Amino acid sequence: DAGVIQSPRHEVTEMGQEVTLRCKPISGHNSLFWYRQTMMRGLELLIYFNNNVPIDDSGMPEDRFSAKMPNASFSTLKIQPSEPRDSAVYFCASSRAGGHNSPLHFGNGTRLTVT
Amino acid sequence: KQEVTQIPAALSVPEGENLVLNCSFTDSAIYNLQWFRQDPGKGLTSLLLIQSSQREQTSGRLNASLDKSSGRSTLYIAASQPGDSATYLCAVRQSNYQLIWGAGTKLIIKP
Repeated sequence: DAGVIQSPRHEVTEMGQEVTLRCKPISGHNSLFWYRQTMMRGLELLIYFNNNVPIDDSGMPEDRFSAKMPNASFSTLKIQPSEPRDSAVYFCASSRAGGHNSPLHFGNGTRLTVT
Repeated sequence: KQEVTQIPAALSVPEGENLVLNCSFTDSAIYNLQWFRQDPGKGLTSLLLIQSSQREQTSGRLNASLDKSSGRSTLYIAASQPGDSATYLCAVRQSNYQLIWGAGTKLIIKP
């Protein structure tokens, strides 16, 4: 089991540029979560997919943020245009069906720095 | 509104000691509670998950307890080792799917 795989590990970009973060969940997991972690606000849920369908995107900060899950093995989080306040560590996590009784498995995150 | 608190924010103990990390929550109507550890620069690793109907779960040197009525959970680490140094987070699952996170306790085990 390779675990949840995120890429890139680090991303440094200039304000206004588009940023795309990628996630491959654990095979067989059909719940996928995107989180953002900062020192000030801790872990924040951005969006939750179940069976590739977005269930709740109320945590997405602004229209500049979008997420897709075209199939069960791949998801992207896009920020366009990026701003310095978007700098954070972005985590993808997955769990088994429904996710309620299953532990969450996290990737190692993407550290985003917007200058 | 559910609030999850972890006190202390940081803890430093000598190697070999047994220790307890605390997690409290304000609304006892929870689905389950999970304990995670996070190492610097890494993601979170799930340690233990306790269902609302359970009182405790054990894995190796770790034991997590849950007292819903008092809104408390503890993570007991026996015979602590330097490799246990990490930030430990608890998260409460609401009756919907939402996880409410504590801010974590940063644990340092001194050799």
